[in-house]
Amino acid sequence: QKEVEQDPGPLSVPEGAIVSLNCTYSNSAFQYFMWYRQYSRKGPELLMYTYSSGNKEDGRFTAQVDKSSKYISLFIRDSQPSDSATYLCAFRNQGGSEKLVFGKGTKLTVNP
Amino acid sequence: EAQVTQNPRYLITVTGKKLTVTCSQNMNHEYMSWYRQDPGLGLRQIYYSMNVEVTDKGDVPEGYKVSRKEKRNFPLILESPSPNQTSLYFCASSRLPTYEQYFGPGTRLTVT
Repeated sequence: QKEVEQDPGPLSVPEGAIVSLNCTYSNSAFQYFMWYRQYSRKGPELLMYTYSSGNKEDGRFTAQVDKSSKYISLFIRDSQPSDSATYLCAFRNQGGSEKLVFGKGTKLTVNP
Repeated sequence: EAQVTQNPRYLITVTGKKLTVTCSQNMNHEYMSWYRQDPGLGLRQIYYSMNVEVTDKGDVPEGYKVSRKEKRNFPLILESPSPNQTSLYFCASSRLPTYEQYFGPGTRLTVT
């Protein structure tokens, strides 16, 4: 079983749609959950970060973590063409290794 | 402006010709890391450094060397590049713990 699985897409939606991006993981030691956004020809940048199960909201973005199912999601409401990017989930253990484990990324296109 | 810089941004070279990709950060971060990003494989960590003179292997260190003589700089050295090292390379830095990593703009390397 892979440590992190993320559907690569591509995902194409009309402007204004609600987008759901997902990752599953197998490592129970993961305690920090992140979403990075990568625009074309740029480095990834941290979009959202959460520690606990449940939801965390930031503007149009909501990160959801279900530790019992080892499943995380990123929801984008009222999607905009400027949201077109590749979204990578990332995970980190609590303590110990400082290493981030990344998903392979989902490419999203929001069409005007 | 807080940033991670990489040079060169684009490089085409031939097999066996030693090269160095420089990375510098101005945020006084302890942690620095190199990744390569390949289609279908995602981001994979090559080497990382927890502080000056402290470096360690990531997931794909073969064929690469690093050094950390100053806190701000973390160069990636390819002693004898081969075509399978053709990739997009990212340098990243972070305070500890590492959940928010700041990525450079990337270096696209082609080895013929």
